[in-house]
Amino acid sequence: TQLLEQSPQFLSIQEGENLTVYCNSSSVFSSLQWYRQEPGEGPVLLVTVVTGGEVKKLKRLTFQFGDARKDSSLHITAAQPGDTGLYLCAGLINSGYALNFGKGTSLLVTP
Amino acid sequence: DTAVSQTPKYLVTQMGNDKSIKCEQNLGHDTMYWYKQDSKKFLKIMFSYNNKELIINETVPNRFSPKSPDKAHLNLHINSLELGDSAVYFCASSQDAGARQPQHFGDGTRLSIL
Repeated sequence: TQLLEQSPQFLSIQEGENLTVYCNSSSVFSSLQWYRQEPGEGPVLLVTVVTGGEVKKLKRLTFQFGDARKDSSLHITAAQPGDTGLYLCAGLINSGYALNFGKGTSLLVTP
Repeated sequence: DTAVSQTPKYLVTQMGNDKSIKCEQNLGHDTMYWYKQDSKKFLKIMFSYNNKELIINETVPNRFSPKSPDKAHLNLHINSLELGDSAVYFCASSQDAGARQPQHFGDGTRLSIL
C-alpha cells in the first residue's frame, strides 16, 4: 500500500521559474519529512514539518504542512540548476519506527 | 568523516550467489535501517534495528538476514541472489526511532545480478 502520493513525478523547467511539488495521503501523519537525493548519493533531509498548517522556509524553498496533517507541499522560487534532484516526502509508519516514502519528484532545472 | 558508510559501493554478482553489504555509522545513533530503492527510485524500508534489536521486518524474504553486532553496525547478508534483488540498497541511522528524528543515509550499494 502506497500511503504517500507525490506529484508531479517528473518536472523539467528552466532556471528562474517557480515550481510546486505535492505530497498527499489519506492517512494522518504526526510529522512529514522532505528529502533531496542527488545521483549516486543517499537522500538528505531538508526539513521536518510537525504542526498542521505549519510553514517552513529554507532559503528559496518553502514547505507547508496541511491543516489536517495529511498533505504537504514544497515550493521552490527562482529555481537554479543546483536544485536538480529527486525530492522525496516521507512519513512514519508502524508505530513510528520507519519512514514510508513517496515515489518522489524528479526535478531537472536547465540553465 | 563520513557519517554513514556502506561497503561496497558497487556489487556485481551472479544469480544464486551469497553476498554481504556492510554499514557503519559514527554518529552515536541508536537506530539503524536498511532500505531498498528500485529502478523507479521508489525507496522502501526493509529492516530497522534499535539498540541492536530488530524492530521492523517489512515482509522481506528470509534470504535477507540483517545482523547488528553493535549499535554502530548493521550488515545485510543476502543468500541465493535473484534477478529481482537488483537495486540500490541504502543504510540509514537516526538518533532514535522518534517521529521527528532525521535519518542519515549512506551513499548506497548498487547491486547488479547477472
